[in-house]
Parts: sequence; C-alpha cells; structure tokens
Amino acid sequence: EVQILETGGGLVKPGGSLRLSCATSGFNFNDYFMNWVRQAPGKGLEWVAQIRNKNYNYATYYAESLEGRVTISRDDSKSSVYLQVSSLRAEDTAIYYCTRRGAPDYWGQGVMVTVSS
Amino acid sequence: DIQMTQSPSFLSASVGDRVTINCKASQNINRYLNWYQQKLGEAPKLLIYNANSLQTGIPSRFSGSGSGTDFTLTISSLQPEDVATYFCLQHNSWPHTFGAGTKLELK
Repeated sequence: EVQILETGGGLVKPGGSLRLSCATSGFNFNDYFMNWVRQAPGKGLEWVAQIRNKNYNYATYYAESLEGRVTISRDDSKSSVYLQVSSLRAEDTAIYYCTRRGAPDYWGQGVMVTVSS
Repeated sequence: DIQMTQSPSFLSASVGDRVTINCKASQNINRYLNWYQQKLGEAPKLLIYNANSLQTGIPSRFSGSGSGTDFTLTISSLQPEDVATYFCLQHNSWPHTFGAGTKLELK
C-alpha cells in the first residue's frame, strides 16, 4: 500500500524558515518524480515544486512565485523528499501536500504551515 | 502559465442525478488532464487521468471526456458519498496548474 506522510509543519514567524519532510513507503521511490503542492485556507491548489528521479538527474522545478525561497530535495535511501522554505510570509500559510508522480496519483494527508507573528 | 477555468464553482444535485463538471484550458493541453476528488479534511484522490482513464478502484459512475481545451467530468448517478470538492489539473506543461474547484453538495 502506498503511504505518504508529511511532517515538519507548524507556526513560524514571518521571515523564518521551515523544512518539511515527506516519508514514503509501499512503492519503489527511486522510480518516481515527487512534488509539493499547497493549499491556502479557503483557496485552490498551487504547485510548489517537483523533483525528478535519478534517470532525469534529479532535475528540479519550482513555481515562479516561490523561486528563490524554496528548495526541494530527496534522499532515495530513505524514500523521502524534503522542502526547505525560507523568508516565510503570511501568504505562505497553507496545507502542504507531498505527492507522487509527475501528475500526482497519490497524495499525503498534508501538513499545516502557519506564518504569523 | 496555462489557466484552467473550472465550472461551476458550486453544484447542488440529488441522489441519482447525472452531474457534469467542466474545465477549460487557456491553450491546448492535448489529453493531459486529471480529475481529483477531495472530501472535507482528506487528501485529494485521483479519479481520472489523461482525460478519460479511470483510476484503479474508482467506481465506474465516474467518467471523463475531452481533449485540447475542453474537458468534462461526469458522475452518471450521484451517490451520497460523492459529496466533495472536485478539481482538475493540467499536466501538459510546467507549471502544472489546477482548476479552482467545484464544491458538490446534495440537494
């Protein structure tokens, strides 16, 4: 069974930074692109970042609105993907979802990030 | 970026009704369109991929159609457990973009 579990969310002050983790199991992690997608309260979904697999040289892609403030990475030995977000702003408040595959087929339950003083 | 215009934003229907939800892309996305269902407090679930392919385990009352710029999700006979928000995703080009969602409730 595919399992995806995000951790690392919480309350952060504006200007702070956060590292989200996504642990996976139940599939061959090495084969898949992985993504972070977010959903602000009462809003729609927004793609944040994608990291491809080794066959694609771990290429990364970022939403323009976040480029320069986010870094996606992965550790194939731990079947995990990470998202580092810096210079956090109130508008970064959202549920952050970790998803599998270029066009997501499985999503984690999400982790809440609240940016507030 | 490709804009995805989803309609309607809100839909009220009765059990047994045929329900349709639409997504229109701002440019040709071929068949690179997925549909997802999100129930309150849950993670999104993939229903349809590549416009018309039913994801494993999804009831056959769900179907998708379209290509190019116009796409439709159809629920042939609405069930109580279908109450959810539905949204589309284009994955033809980066950045992948989502429709704003359709909230479906029972009448």
